[in-house]
Amino acid sequence: SQQGEEDPQALSIQEGENATMNCSYKTSINNLQWYRQNSGRGLVHLILIRSNEREKHSGRLRVTLDTSKKSSSLLITASRAADTASYFCATDLGNTPLVFGKGTRLSVIA
Amino acid sequence: GAGVSQSPSNKVTEKGKDVELRCDPISGHTALYWYRQSLGQGLEFLIYFQGNSAPDKSGLPSDRFSAERTGGSVSTLTIQRTQQEDSAVYLCASSLDSATSNIQYFGAGTRLSVL
Repeated sequence: SQQGEEDPQALSIQEGENATMNCSYKTSINNLQWYRQNSGRGLVHLILIRSNEREKHSGRLRVTLDTSKKSSSLLITASRAADTASYFCATDLGNTPLVFGKGTRLSVIA
Repeated sequence: GAGVSQSPSNKVTEKGKDVELRCDPISGHTALYWYRQSLGQGLEFLIYFQGNSAPDKSGLPSDRFSAERTGGSVSTLTIQRTQQEDSAVYLCASSLDSATSNIQYFGAGTRLSVL
């Protein structure tokens, strides 16, 4: 089964609203990463949070990590139409390839 | 190069034919990964190269799939006797070193269509 699973599978919001996506995983991790994929393109790294960190910010992005619940959330504030994409979490278990979830498809309506 | 380069960007082939997909990683990156992504799905890990170590082939779905990495740089993913279920986007990624920095940089992918 998937190590990381995003929730919801799809999310549709109005421009200016905040978007929250969640990721749950099953085993202990070294770090957790979030990636973005525009339609027909490769994935782009957004942010990395280490297992000893609880929150991290990057511009309009805010990531939290709760290792006791084995979950992470990605918050995009003041969303824009250009934020429309699929968002994936990926877990780093150490000395193995990243394990990606199935992603959340975000649609931001102008 | 400036980023990870994959070729071709699109490949249409007939069932039963062999195909080769190429990946040029970022210069200096020692780790290289191949993934498969079916329409609207997540990434399925295929194979991973790290430096001169033996590749991790644990994700290859069948013996029709193979990959090599020559000179620690360019990689080729080969699919023999293609089947319709092989149709997908094949993504390549590289990272500076899988142990110290596992941030992956992706190419735009090769969209494979098997008719």
